Amino acid sequence: NAGVTQTPKFRILKIGQSMTLQCAQDMNHNYMYWYRQDPGMGLKLIYYSVGAGITDKGEVPNGYNVSRSTTEDFPLRLELAAPSQTSVYFCASSKGTIQYFGAGTRLSVL
Amino acid sequence: GQQVMQIPQYQHVQEGEDFTTYCNSSTTLSNIQWYKQRPGGHPVFLIQLVKSGEVKKQKRLTFQFGEAKKNSSLHITATQTTDVGTYFCAGPPSTGSGGSNYKLTFGKGTLLTVNP
Repeated sequence: NAGVTQTPKFRILKIGQSMTLQCAQDMNHNYMYWYRQDPGMGLKLIYYSVGAGITDKGEVPNGYNVSRSTTEDFPLRLELAAPSQTSVYFCASSKGTIQYFGAGTRLSVL
Repeated sequence: GQQVMQIPQYQHVQEGEDFTTYCNSSTTLSNIQWYKQRPGGHPVFLIQLVKSGEVKKQKRLTFQFGEAKKNSSLHITATQTTDVGTYFCAGPPSTGSGGSNYKLTFGKGTLLTVNP
């Protein structure tokens, strides 16, 4: 099992550019999550999904969008990237409350 | 909203010393989970505690869940260099308080460094 796969691993964006961070899981989990992690700040929930077609905002959703067309995939879209979005992004999935994380995407916006 | 606080933020120990990190929630938790994140890595699930007053051990690691289900601790006996990393606690609010039990609130973590 691959678990939770995130692509790309690293990316540098210019201010104002857009990109999609990909996340896929092969564990048939209903719940999926996107977090961002800034140094010393723990994990902050951006968006989450309880199943295909259902998404909801987390703690810090501004500047991001998500979609969940299948159980497996949960992409995170950044529109008009800003320096404040420089962070490490983690996707996670769960069947219950225990979450399984991908390896992360390190994003720099310059 | 629910807040989860962890102390200390950083801890540096000599190899062989013990280490403890504490976690406190502003609301009652239905369970508490602990995750470890190695430097440059991703959070990895360690353990889940569900019952009030529960204590679980994993080799040199001892996890406790408070009687009121609002606090927890992780104690490492005789630290090793392989213990280096950030330890996070996380929990969903008790379903009795109207919260969902699949959304976790994470503490900011305790970064443990070990001097060999």
